[in-house]
Parts: sequence; C-alpha cells; structure tokens
Amino acid sequence: EVQLVESGGGLVQPGGSLRLSCAASGFTVSSNYMSWVRQAPGKGLEWVSVIYSGGSTYYADSVKGRFTISRDNSKNTLYLQMNSLRAEDTAVYYCARDGDSMPAFDIWGQGTMVTVSS
Amino acid sequence: DIQMTQSPSSLSASVGDRVTITCRASQSISSYLNWYQQKPGKAPKLLIYAASSLQSGVPSRFSGSGSGTDFTLTISSLQPEDFATYYCQQSYSTLPFTFGPGTKVDIK
Repeated sequence: EVQLVESGGGLVQPGGSLRLSCAASGFTVSSNYMSWVRQAPGKGLEWVSVIYSGGSTYYADSVKGRFTISRDNSKNTLYLQMNSLRAEDTAVYYCARDGDSMPAFDIWGQGTMVTVSS
Repeated sequence: DIQMTQSPSSLSASVGDRVTITCRASQSISSYLNWYQQKPGKAPKLLIYAASSLQSGVPSRFSGSGSGTDFTLTISSLQPEDFATYYCQQSYSTLPFTFGPGTKVDIK
C-alpha cells in the first residue's frame, strides 16, 4: 500500500528546534517530488517546501533560512528540520507526494501537530 | 507569487443539489490547477488534477473545468459525504505552489 506516515511533532518553545519525519511505503521517496504542506489551526493550506528527485530544494519565503528539507534514501524517509521556531509556525504539518504523471499532491500523510508556545 | 482566490468562501446546500465552486488565478496557469477535498481532522484528498482529470477512485459526480485564470469545480449531485472544505491549488512552473483559501460546503 502506498502511504506516508509523519512523526516528530510536539510542543516546542519559541526559538527552539524540531525535526519532522515522513516515512514512505509502497514507493520510492527519491524518485518523486516530495513536499511539506502546513495548516495553522482553523486556517487554509500553505505549501512549505519541496525536494525534487534530483535533490534540488525550495522553500516558502516564510520559512526560508530556518527550515531544511532532506531525505534519507536508505530509510525511504523525508525530513523537515525546523529551527528558530515562531508562534506562527504552529500548524499541522503534512508531507505529500507529487504524482508520478501529474503535478498534484496525490498522496498525503496523516499530519503531525507542531505547537510553538512558551 | 501566483495568488489564488475562491468563491464563495462558504455555501449551504442540500443533498442532491448541484454545487459549483470557482477558483481564479492572478495570472495564467494554463491547466495546472488541482482540487482537493478536506474533512475535519483529516488530510486533504486529491479530487481533480490538471483542471479536469478525475483522480482514480473519485466519484464521477465531481468534475472540473477551465484554463488560463478561471476554473470551476462542480459536484453534480451533492451526497452526505461531500460536506467538506474544498481547496484549489496551482502547480504551474513558478513556485510557491499556492492554494486557494478554501470553500466550506455545509448542510442547509
């Protein structure tokens, strides 16, 4: 079965760090474009970052310089390292796969909650 | 950045109604427009990609149309399981991949 399972969310103080993981099964992370998308409580969806199959990475301006997307091919896992966290980073974070033959997010994880608060 | 708008922001409808949601891009995105459905506490689910292609497993009562800057999602006969929030998203070449603000469909 093709699926994504996120982990690593939790409560962190402003200025702190957290690393999210997204374990994939049924397909190869390194062969696909993989993104992180977040959703603040009661708000809409915001794209955060993407890593292309070739390894190039891109970020939303709101997280550039603070977040780093990466992958471990041996573990078939996607990561999001989040540093210098702010209250406005509080959200459910989803990992999502860009479809094999379509520029759309066809597979999503269940989401992991990140709360930034003192 | 390409800005996405949706209308209406919410609507009330009855089972069996025909529902139409509109999405507009701030510049032409050809047919690089996707639609997602999200239910409370759940991850979004892809319904339509490339403006009008139905994702595998999605009921045929969902359809999409449009190109350039104006797009439409239509539910031909609303079912109880369709009450949710719907988002459009552009996947044109220019990052970021922006989403619309969402349209909440609830029960009249």
